[in-house]
Amino acid sequence: EDKVVQSPLSLVVHEGDTVTLNCSYEVTNFRSLLWYKQEKKAPTFLFMLTSSGIEKKSGRLSSILDKKELSSILNITATQTGDSAIYLCAVEGGGSNYKLTFGKGTLLTVNP
Amino acid sequence: GAGVSQSPRYKVTKRGQDVTLRCDPISSHATLYWYQQALGQGPEFLTYFNYEAQPDKSGLPSDRFSAERPEGSISTLTIQRTEQRDSAMYRCASSLYENTEAFFGQGTRLTVV
Repeated sequence: EDKVVQSPLSLVVHEGDTVTLNCSYEVTNFRSLLWYKQEKKAPTFLFMLTSSGIEKKSGRLSSILDKKELSSILNITATQTGDSAIYLCAVEGGGSNYKLTFGKGTLLTVNP
Repeated sequence: GAGVSQSPRYKVTKRGQDVTLRCDPISSHATLYWYQQALGQGPEFLTYFNYEAQPDKSGLPSDRFSAERPEGSISTLTIQRTEQRDSAMYRCASSLYENTEAFFGQGTRLTVV
């Protein structure tokens, strides 16, 4: 059974801090790893990492995929209160079928 | 459409009733996923479609749950004889094709009383 584990489950920081969120996975026939930010509405897509694209960066957010360690990290630098959200990691795999398996998420709270 | 659209946004139903949830994916997206998300949890996979084909429905929790996508675009998720434990947010997502990023709708919050 495919499995995605995120850590920590929750994190409280102050504005300006840098945070690192972790995601580890066990899936059959790994294809890609995706990061989403979930506030009160639908999860919004952040990054997709594959074997051919193991590092992505957008503004203060960056993510790296480590295929040897079967894990990924999401870094947020100079955090802002607007970064407060649940960050979801999902992995696509599943043999000949495609499905996304999600972790439980990391609840990030950024205090002013 | 411009984004994934789900309806209704909220549904309250009595235990034992049937409910049908609807998902309208992004135009031209071949792949459509259904997820069940309990409060404080990540989305749990239910089933997915490639056009009208349904290659994997292993996540459907029981035979009371079924999904269709007869013309390869709009999909419905039906829960028969609802139970209180079915209360959750039901999320639909679509992607252009397999192995591309999936975009989510805002979900349907189902409450079974």
